[in-house]
Amino acid sequence: GESVGLHLPTLSVQEGDNSIINCAYSNSASDYFIWYKQESGKGPQFIIDIRSNMDKRQGQRVTVLLNKTVKHLSLQIAATQPGDSAVYFCAERNSGGYQKVTFGTGTKLQVIP
Amino acid sequence: DAGVTQSPTHLIKTRGQQVTLRCSPISGHKSVSWYQQVLGQGPQFIFQYYEKEERGRGNFPDRFSARQFPNYSSELNVNALLLGDSALYLCASSLAGSAYGYTFGSGTRLTVV
Repeated sequence: GESVGLHLPTLSVQEGDNSIINCAYSNSASDYFIWYKQESGKGPQFIIDIRSNMDKRQGQRVTVLLNKTVKHLSLQIAATQPGDSAVYFCAERNSGGYQKVTFGTGTKLQVIP
Repeated sequence: DAGVTQSPTHLIKTRGQQVTLRCSPISGHKSVSWYQQVLGQGPQFIFQYYEKEERGRGNFPDRFSARQFPNYSSELNVNALLLGDSALYLCASSLAGSAYGYTFGSGTRLTVV
């Protein structure tokens, strides 16, 4: 499939190490912040989300941290595996009215075997 | 269970032509949203439909239109194609008229020459 990762910031990580992907957001009114994974030739896949009144949420091998003071979101992936190689997008979901997801700039994660 | 299906997967059109892209949501999902993803960027919101009504529209020209059918499938139409319309067009479905629980299809890759 065609890559969606051209011209994106790239993070290269050794297999087995932890990965940290960072994101700055702009809309303080968002009620949820979301991380998506997009593999080549596929649509974005939901990984984990965090409500705006929380600062940390853990899933399976992933942790999302939210710092509302500096409008910063991060995704931590433990024991990174080759299958984690993809483009990762942070996104915001607005509150009220009709809801949509606004995507931020992606980061390409390359896992080195 | 089938996921979100989009057709066609790839399409090449000439400037000035019109194109119709199709999306079938997950069974039971009543909301469909359309996104445009230019190479190297995050998806941009185009439309949201719920129960056959347009709930929201992003910052796209009137050349873009959509509709949702009684079976909840949807079509995205783009008239008077420009080179800049070349992109991956993604459809996402969800149960209700919210962006929670979005499931994306793999998209239609449109190339305008």
